[in-house]
Amino acid sequence: NAGVTQTPKFRILKIGQSMTLQCTQDMNHNYMYWYRQDPGMGLKLIYYSVGAGITDKGEVPNGYNVSRSTTEDFPLRLELAAPSQTSVYFCAIGQGLRNTIYFGEGSWLTVV
Amino acid sequence: GEDVEQSLFLSVREGDSSVINCTYTDSSSTYLYWYKQEPGAGLQLLTYIFSNMDMKQDQRLTVLLNKKDKHLSLRIADTQTGDSAIYFCAEMPSGYSTLTFGKGTMLLVSP
Repeated sequence: NAGVTQTPKFRILKIGQSMTLQCTQDMNHNYMYWYRQDPGMGLKLIYYSVGAGITDKGEVPNGYNVSRSTTEDFPLRLELAAPSQTSVYFCAIGQGLRNTIYFGEGSWLTVV
Repeated sequence: GEDVEQSLFLSVREGDSSVINCTYTDSSSTYLYWYKQEPGAGLQLLTYIFSNMDMKQDQRLTVLLNKKDKHLSLRIADTQTGDSAIYFCAEMPSGYSTLTFGKGTMLLVSP
C-alpha cells in the first residue's frame, strides 16, 4: 500500500472515549488525507493536509481533529467517540494536483 | 458540488467482459480514477485517465471517457473470479487535490 502505515487496524471504543488513529508514510509525499468509509456510501473526506503545519477540513470533519507536525505523520484524533463514528478509516497520500492518491490498509473502528 | 454516480451491482460469468459505468458532474477539466477494493482490504489504484484523453488501455483494463456526457466506463476483459471486488470511480476536479468518490460497484464473477 505505497508506504502508508495505519495503526491500529481494529479498535473497539466505548461512547465518550477518545483515541488517535496513527498514519505514517515513508514516501515523502506532501499531501496526506483521512477518509472514512461507511457501508454502501463510498468514501468521505474528513481532513487533509498539503504539507507540514497545514491542515484543512474535508466534507465530514465534525468530531475529529488532526495535526501535521512532520511530513511523515498525520494522526486523526477522535474526541468523545459516538456510535456514528463507527466506520473504516483510510489514510492516503499523494503528491498534490494532477497526481494519484494511494491508500493505507484501513483502520476498523467500532463505537459501542 | 461534485457528485459521482455508479451502479451498485454487476454480476458476470468468468471469461466474459465486465463494464462498470460512472457519471460525474464537474464540467471543468478533471482527472478520473478507478480503484479496486477487495473484502477487508484497502483501496488499490487500478488506473486513471486525464480529461484530455478519450481512452486508455492497460492490459485487461480499458477506460473510456465521454466528456460530453460526463460518462466514464471501466471494461475488464476476460473477467476472472479474482476480479470480484468493489470498484470505485473517483474524480479530482481541476484545481483540487482531493478525490470525490462514487458509492462503488460490487462486481461478482461466477465460475
